[in-house]
Amino acid sequence: AQSVAQPEDQVNVAEGNPLTVKCTYSVSGNPYLFWYVQYPNRGLQFLLKYITGDNLVKGSYGFEAEFNKSQTSFHLKKPSALVSDSALYFCAVRLSGSARQLTFGSGTQLTVLP
Amino acid sequence: DADVTQTPRNRITKTGKRIMLECSQTKGHDRMYWYRQDPGLGLRLIYYSFDVKDINKGEISDGYSVSRQAQAKFSLSLESAIPNQTALYFCATSMGTYTGELFFGEGSRLTVL
Repeated sequence: AQSVAQPEDQVNVAEGNPLTVKCTYSVSGNPYLFWYVQYPNRGLQFLLKYITGDNLVKGSYGFEAEFNKSQTSFHLKKPSALVSDSALYFCAVRLSGSARQLTFGSGTQLTVLP
Repeated sequence: DADVTQTPRNRITKTGKRIMLECSQTKGHDRMYWYRQDPGLGLRLIYYSFDVKDINKGEISDGYSVSRQAQAKFSLSLESAIPNQTALYFCATSMGTYTGELFFGEGSRLTVL
C-alpha cells in the first residue's frame, strides 16, 4: 500500500520569508516522491522529485525538498517566498519497483502575502 | 500550442447524458492517464494506458470508460453522467519509466446537473 498526507490545507507566509509545505508518506519499501504545483485554472506542473541519492533535491523556481527516511517526510521548501508562488501544491508517492501508479496528497494551498 | 490538449475545457450536462472528454498529446509519450480532481481529495486516477493495446483501471474507474485511439489520443467517456461526477478532469502523459514525471493538460471542468 502507499499513501501520502499533507497535514495543512492552507499555508500563509509573508513575501520574503522562508516557506515550508509539509508532506509525509507511507510505503512498504523505498519511495519515489514528487512535488507538483497547480496555478489557478491550470494543470499541474512538475516541480521536483526524489528517486535515490542525495536527500536534498533542488527543483524549479528555487524550490527544494528534503527526503527524510526516518521521519517518512518530503517537505517542500523555499528560502524566500514570492507572491507569485501562491498556488496549490501536491505531494505524490510511488513505491519503487512497483507497478502501482502515483498516489497524490490532498493538496496544500500556499498564499504568499505581500 | 500546449503539449497536452484537452477538449472541451468546460462542459455542463444533465444527468443520464453520455459525455466524452478528449485528450491529445504531442510529446510522443507512450503513457497516458486520466485523473479526477475534487476539492480536498487531491487527484485520483481513473484509467491509464501504457500503449494503444494496454488499458488499465485506476482507483475510481466505476462509471467511466476509456479509449486509446492512437498513441497520441486518449478519451474518457461517462456513459450515463451523474451529479457526483461533477469534477475537474485532467489528462496526463509520461515517459515509459516509473520515475518519470507527469505532464498535465489544462483540465476539463465537467458539471452534471
